[in-house]
Order: sequence, then structure tokens, then C-alpha cells
Amino acid sequence: AQKITQTQPGMFVQEKEAVTLDCTYDTSDPSYGLFWYKQPSSGEMIFLIYQGSYDQQNATEGRYSLNFQKARKSANLVISASQLGDSAMYFCAMRLGGSARQLTFGSGTQLTVLP
Amino acid sequence: GAVVSQHPSRVICKSGTSVKIECRSLDFQATTMFWYRQFPKQSLMLMATSNEGSKATYEQGVEKDKFLINHASLTLSTLTVTSAHPEDSSFYICSAKDTGMGDYGYTFGSGTRLTVV
Repeated sequence: AQKITQTQPGMFVQEKEAVTLDCTYDTSDPSYGLFWYKQPSSGEMIFLIYQGSYDQQNATEGRYSLNFQKARKSANLVISASQLGDSAMYFCAMRLGGSARQLTFGSGTQLTVLP
Repeated sequence: GAVVSQHPSRVICKSGTSVKIECRSLDFQATTMFWYRQFPKQSLMLMATSNEGSKATYEQGVEKDKFLINHASLTLSTLTVTSAHPEDSSFYICSAKDTGMGDYGYTFGSGTRLTVV
């Protein structure tokens, strides 16, 4: 069965600094997708970034980049120039196979940005 | 972009009553809707997957007679928590796949915070 692991329950970062949130996954399926979502205290799920298993380059979206190391089965999220508004829960998620399949989420990392 | 409207955002109900949660896809057809439950400070756990016009598929350990899912149209899916009890208090959130947005096009509702008293 597939598994997503986030080993950092909580992280602190100083404003304007970069932070890396860890995510490892386990699957034997060659086709999969990896996602990062931000969940503020309001509860909404905000899509940040996506990496497909066949993508050759690491995904980037503004201040977010995904450090995809396929052999290590890791998909860490890097947030550059942290802002106070980045304080939230961050979830890594994986989708196996076809694009209509469900997402499986990691346990999440609570990020706090310090002024 | 794709929007899923979820209502109500918050609901308080008495133990033993039923509560219906609606998710509507506003500008796309949601062939498949995923329903998740999230307890405080925990992850999202998939409860069930519903496909328009067919019975929902429930995850192991989720009581299908307690959590009734109806997906009667391509734009509306509902989750009814029947005979709710305090242990059903949780955050429920739906998600639909917008096939027009490629592999990453999952759109989430804003969630429903259910409190059973």
C-alpha cells in the first residue's frame, strides 16, 4: 500500500528565511503524482505545487519549489523568503496511477514563521 | 478557476439527529467526488469516493449506513451524517477532480465543521 510520511510535526522559521518541509513516500507504482497543500486555520486546502513521477525537472511555483529525489522517494517542499502569512499546516499528498484517483495525505507539518 | 462550493461551513446539531453537507461544483462537471474527514491536528482521511449515478465506495472502517453519500448529478454530491453522535464531530471536506485541469486539478470545498452536542 502507498504511504506518505512527514516527519516534522512542527517547524519554525524566521521571516525572510527559507525553510524545507520534508516528505517521503513509498509506492511501487511507476506512475504517481505528488502534491503540497497549505491549510490555514480556516481549514481550506490551498494547492501549492505538483510533481509528476515522470517529470524530469523539479516543479517551481513562485516562492515554492519541490525538491524531487525519485531514487530516495522524497518530495520536499522549499519555501523561500518566508512570510508571516506562510504560517499554516502543510500537507504532502500522493496520487497513484490515473488522474481521477484519490489523494493520500501525510500527517502534516505545522509551520510557524517568526517575525 | 474551478470552484467547489461546500455548505454549511459550520453546523451544530443535537445527538441523534442527521446533518446533510452539500458540495457543488460551480464551473465544471465533477464526475468523481472525494469525501474526507479531519480530526483536530490530524491529517485528512478519505472516507469515500462517489461517482455520479452510482453507489459510493467507502474506505475500510467507514460505516456506509451512517455516512450516506449521494452523487445524483455531475455538479452535486451530498454527505448525510445520520444519527450523529459526539464522536462524529469533525471537519468534513470534499474534493472533486476537474479533468480539464490536468493531473493536478483537484479542487477542495471550504469544509464543514460539524459539532454534535
